[in-house]
Amino acid sequence: DTEVTQTPKHLVMGMTNKKSLKCEQHMGHRAMYWYKQKAKKPPELMFVYSYEKLSINESVPSRFSPECPNSSLLNLHLHALQPEDSALYLCASSMDSSNYGYTFGSGTRLTVV
Amino acid sequence: AQTVTQSQPEMSVQEAETVTLSCTYDTSESNYYLFWYKQPPSRQMILVIRQEAYKQQNATENRFSVNFQKAAKSFSLKISDSQLGDTAMYFCAFMGVDSNYQLIWGAGTKLIIKP
Repeated sequence: DTEVTQTPKHLVMGMTNKKSLKCEQHMGHRAMYWYKQKAKKPPELMFVYSYEKLSINESVPSRFSPECPNSSLLNLHLHALQPEDSALYLCASSMDSSNYGYTFGSGTRLTVV
Repeated sequence: AQTVTQSQPEMSVQEAETVTLSCTYDTSESNYYLFWYKQPPSRQMILVIRQEAYKQQNATENRFSVNFQKAAKSFSLKISDSQLGDTAMYFCAFMGVDSNYQLIWGAGTKLIIKP
């Protein structure tokens, strides 16, 4: 298995809703990442988990809450989002030595209404 | 701080032609890594090619090759015999010690292959 699987592919949520994005990989990678990407822009790093511990939080608002239940799973819990949070959310993983590059999932297209 | 510049917002070429996408970067490090990623309309970010700065030899992957000029801090991507499936956004990215081994991205180049 050489894939990063993200679910759901599309999500529409209201500003008062609570939802979660899920990311899964079975490549034995020990680092996992959440990125936010606006249209025609490069991805912006949100969170990095290394060996299941949060190692980087790029000053992301608390309405985004990451969770890493085990080495294969990464969740992003969403609560009280704003319309400007609408974007493509990409998950990625890498070996602990990330200079080999990341493997990305296909993303979740999130729309906040 | 490291920066990555892609000066071509959009390019289009005919199928089967060769196209070169440019990328320049700025760093004071001597050892680092450079990447080209492709993002087709299907949204998945796909690693196209990787270059280690301490290696003189330019990386190649089938129809994709790079021209790595370390002194000039240039890292261009050449796509030979372009195919319709090459239509995508292409992002150049840098990774080094000072970036805490996180990717620093260029703004991207939208490449359109015309039939």
